[in-house]
Amino acid sequence: NAGVTQTPKFQVLKTGQSMTLQCAQDMNHEYMSWYRQDPGMGLRLIHYSVGAGITDQGEVPNGYNVSRSTTEDFPLRLLSAAPSQTSVYFCASSRGRGEGTDTQYFGPGTRLTVL
Amino acid sequence: QKEVEQDPGPLSVPEGAIVSLNCTYSNSAFQYFMWYRQYSRKGPELLMYTYSSGNKEDGRFTAQVDKSSKYISLFIRDSQPSDSATYLCASWGKLQFGAGTQVVVTP
Repeated sequence: NAGVTQTPKFQVLKTGQSMTLQCAQDMNHEYMSWYRQDPGMGLRLIHYSVGAGITDQGEVPNGYNVSRSTTEDFPLRLLSAAPSQTSVYFCASSRGRGEGTDTQYFGPGTRLTVL
Repeated sequence: QKEVEQDPGPLSVPEGAIVSLNCTYSNSAFQYFMWYRQYSRKGPELLMYTYSSGNKEDGRFTAQVDKSSKYISLFIRDSQPSDSATYLCASWGKLQFGAGTQVVVTP
């Protein structure tokens, strides 16, 4: 199993550009989520999905869109990039919501810089 | 204000020392408490979890939860250079992560 994969690993954007961060998992997990990680802030939840066709907002959803058309894929779209979106983005998946024994598996991350 | 607070460090210890990491949380409804380890430029991975109060031991790692004081601890015995990483605490009732503490174990 590849686990959770993310592409690209690195990306530089100019303010106002749009892009899609890709995330895929091969563990048949229903629950997938996107986090951003900033120094001193820890991991903050952007959006999550409890299954194909179902998505919901997390703690910091503004400026991001998601969709979940298949169990395997959960792309994150930046609509109009801003310097405040410079961060490391992690995708995660789990069978359920990720508490206790229900391990969340994280991808390797995408480092995004917005100029 | 974050519901889980963690000192970011860095915490530098010599090889073989005990590493002590702490977090506090504010929501008494939280039931599950997790520790994740994150190596540089990698995604976090689950290290240990505990449910409610008490201790849990796994090899050199011990996790403690004191619900009366809303305090979460992780102890690493006989620390190794390979333990150098950022350790994030997390709690569930609503999944919340601490900011992470960077640990450096020097040979």
